[in-house]
Amino acid sequence: QSALTQPRSVSGSPGQSVAISCTGTSSDISYHNHVSWYQQRPGKAPKLMISEVNKRPSGVPERFSGSKSGSTASLTISGLQVEDEADYYCCTFEENFTWVFGGGTKLTVL
Amino acid sequence: EVQLVESGGGLVQPGGSLRLSCAASGFAFNTYPMNWVRQAPGKGLEWVSHIRSGSNTITYADSVKGRFTVSRDDATNSLFLHMNTLRAEDTAIYYCVRDDYWAFDIWGRGTVVAVSS
Repeated sequence: QSALTQPRSVSGSPGQSVAISCTGTSSDISYHNHVSWYQQRPGKAPKLMISEVNKRPSGVPERFSGSKSGSTASLTISGLQVEDEADYYCCTFEENFTWVFGGGTKLTVL
Repeated sequence: EVQLVESGGGLVQPGGSLRLSCAASGFAFNTYPMNWVRQAPGKGLEWVSHIRSGSNTITYADSVKGRFTVSRDDATNSLFLHMNTLRAEDTAIYYCVRDDYWAFDIWGRGTVVAVSS
C-alpha cells in the first residue's frame, strides 16, 4: 500500500487555472479508472469532488475536472475562486478492496 | 438527509482498546459498503478498513491489520471499529465513510482518538 505522489503545494490567482497531479504505479492508476479526488477545508471533513477519474458528483462546480494519462491522474480547477483554497487529496482503489491516498496538496489562492 | 455520525473516541493509554461507532441515516445502509478513514494531527488521509454489505468482504490497511476489527449491524444501521493494542501512531480523527462505486461519497464529522500515557 504505497502512497500516491502529489505536489505538497500549488498556488494561483483568482480566475486562473491550476492543475494538481497524482502519480501512482502501473498496478493502480494506469490499470483502472477508480481514481477520486477530495477537497478538505480546515477543520472540516473531506468532500468528494471527482470520482472515476472525471465524474463530478451533483453540486460540484463544473470548473472542477479530472483526467488521467498513464499512471498520473490530474485535478484541474479553472476560474479559480478564493473559496477553492483547501487541501486536495487523490485516492485510488488497489487490488483486494484496499485504497490508498496521496499525501495531499495545499492549494493557495493568492 | 444522508448522515453519518461517529462516536466512541477519547483518550486511551498505549496498549489499550477502544470501540468506535457510526450511526447512519437517510439512505439504505445495508446496500452500501462502508469504510473507516483516519487523519493524524497535521497529516494526510489514511484509509483504514472496508466492509461490504453482508460483511462478506473485509479488508484492512497493513498498519492496523491484526489489531483492528471492523463490523456492521445492518439491522440498526451501524458501523463499528474495534481497536486493540493501540499505539501513539493511531492518534487521529477517525471518519466513517460511505463507499459508492470505489469513491468515498459521504463522510461523517469524525471522532478523535488520542493514544497517550
